[in-house]
Amino acid sequence: DAMVIQNPRYQVTQFGKPVTLSCSQTLNHNVMYWYQQKSSQAPKLLFHYYDKDFNNEADTPDNFQSRRPNTSFCFLDIRSPGLGDAAMYLCATSRATLGYSNQPQHFGDGTRLSIL
Amino acid sequence: GQQLNQSPQSMFIQEGEDVSMNCTSSSIFNTWLWYKQEPGEGPVLLIALYKAGELTSNGRLTAQFGITRKDSFLNISASIPSDVGIYFCAGQRNTDKLIFGTGTRLQVFP
Repeated sequence: DAMVIQNPRYQVTQFGKPVTLSCSQTLNHNVMYWYQQKSSQAPKLLFHYYDKDFNNEADTPDNFQSRRPNTSFCFLDIRSPGLGDAAMYLCATSRATLGYSNQPQHFGDGTRLSIL
Repeated sequence: GQQLNQSPQSMFIQEGEDVSMNCTSSSIFNTWLWYKQEPGEGPVLLIALYKAGELTSNGRLTAQFGITRKDSFLNISASIPSDVGIYFCAGQRNTDKLIFGTGTRLQVFP
């Protein structure tokens, strides 16, 4: 039973054409993360939401945006995809208590993005 | 970004053999996690460690949180073909983000 669900599993878009990836969770976790992963490298954190608070990583390009309309859903928007943005995009969730600890992150199966 | 040193980078072993891999850091963590990732899928949590010296098993997998809090080890006993994948360690301090290792690619031959 998938608990972190990413749609679509595969996405093809054109160079410069905006694209949105989605993630939903049934775990009721308060933290949701977006990672970019390229060719067998470790996942690279783009940003995360702690409840409704958005936390951007310093090196995440402005081209990447995110929305979290409610606890269960989170979206990754790529405003003008370039060839270098072709990658696997992973969503993860965890339950955290501010300033105390995180439970382990649980990942979805990812969306593989191709740019034509 | 920061990454942990994970070794070996890859392993090619025969079914039935035991496997050992480790992760080291120059700084301490208070949580160590081990994930397995198969092609086209997301990382799956295998074992979570929360105390220095802790030894935890999950079936044929055993992981240890190093005493110095700067390293962790994962052992797989009696490997089988479905153990194939990339194994990532990850360290965490309190509520900070995960710091991933560079990954160990495991190939098991029947």
